[in-house]
Amino acid sequence: KAGVTQTPRYLIKTRGQQVTLSCSPISGHRSVSWYQQTPGQGLQFLFEYFSETQRNKGNFPGRFSGRQFSNSRSEMNVSTLELGDSALYLCASSLGGDPRVNEQFFGPGTRLTVL
Amino acid sequence: GIQVEQSPPDLILQEGANSTLRCNFSDSVNNLQWFHQNPWGQLINLFYIPSGTKQNGRLSATTVATERYSLLYISSSQTTDSGVYFCAVLKTSYDKVIFGPGTSLSVIP
Repeated sequence: KAGVTQTPRYLIKTRGQQVTLSCSPISGHRSVSWYQQTPGQGLQFLFEYFSETQRNKGNFPGRFSGRQFSNSRSEMNVSTLELGDSALYLCASSLGGDPRVNEQFFGPGTRLTVL
Repeated sequence: GIQVEQSPPDLILQEGANSTLRCNFSDSVNNLQWFHQNPWGQLINLFYIPSGTKQNGRLSATTVATERYSLLYISSSQTTDSGVYFCAVLKTSYDKVIFGPGTSLSVIP
């Protein structure tokens, strides 16, 4: 079974631009979560999508948005990029149902650099 | 929301040594995972262990759900064990997964 894939793996943008990151979950998984990790910081939860609906949201400004498609693939978008948005963006997929059997699996991440 | 603490925050070991990492959480949970983040940023699943004990090679984990803690044991550590170890908990499917701050492990030859 293929793992979680994220594209692109590396990205360089300038302040003010926007960016779209993509995540393809494991086949059969209906939940996709996004996290931001900055140097020296832990994982900051961005949002979770389950069956095309945003189920949970972290404390990030409205510049950060996401969506999920009917095939469970998800995209996240960051508009008006700031230097502080430079980070590793990680996506995790899970079945999304009963938490007792809801193991998360992570993709390799997208490393975004904002200049 | 649930608070997750991990200790110690940093750990330096000589190759071959054993170690115990701890994860405390403030409320009952239905789901607990341990991850290892390697130097390239990839989060690798170690254990899915909401309760009980599991072993996988040199690693083992124990979660005592009633006392709200989990332990990760690393025996005969190797340099490839270096990285950050995170525990993560989930209460219900309507909650978000809460990660601990991590334990940074360095294994030196």
